[in-house]
Amino acid sequence: GENVEQHPSTLSVQEGDSAVIKCTYSDSASNYFPWYKQELGKRPQLIIDIRSNVGEKKDQRIAVTLNKTAKHFSLHITETQPEDSAVYFCAATNRDDKIIFGKGTRLHILP
Amino acid sequence: DVKVTQSSRYLVKRTGEKVFLECVQDMDHENMFWYRQDPGLGLRLIYFSYDVKMKEKGDIPEGYSVSREKKERFSLILESASTNQTSMYLCATYERGGYTFGSGTRLTVV
Repeated sequence: GENVEQHPSTLSVQEGDSAVIKCTYSDSASNYFPWYKQELGKRPQLIIDIRSNVGEKKDQRIAVTLNKTAKHFSLHITETQPEDSAVYFCAATNRDDKIIFGKGTRLHILP
Repeated sequence: DVKVTQSSRYLVKRTGEKVFLECVQDMDHENMFWYRQDPGLGLRLIYFSYDVKMKEKGDIPEGYSVSREKKERFSLILESASTNQTSMYLCATYERGGYTFGSGTRLTVV
């Protein structure tokens, strides 16, 4: 069935360094790829998304890349800060708007 | 700004009790969802609804039912709560532009 794999499950990076979270998807019809950030005790919130007709999108320190051929997409956070500590979820949505979430990555920013 | 409100932040219920989790949204969205979130398992879809009185099973519907009598309200029902239903429950709506989640209800079944 449709599946989204997310790696790593836990990631620790030094403050100021970059963090990369990778996801792969199985349904080649997927055309929308959002990323959600969930801070401790709070709801998941959309931070960035990309559609299948775009290869890369950037918003300040956050960027997402998409490789449709390989069916994988990645979240890049540069110059990480303490407030980036959270759980990040990737997701893939197909033409029927069915969304499949990855299992999440817990990102720790070390002082 | 879409608001998705879940009526309870924390709930403690006894095994066998009937439990209602309420979710209300204020933006006239047609699509509403219930997920449960467990460590290491991510977000798993329980039920969703595309319109009033319409409901579809998600990936883990067993032990749950839902009710959508009004467009703005989507209720998740645990007919007879069990300890393995202890979890964080998240309601969400969806329109073009993405999902909006409620703050979650942490349910403990004892």
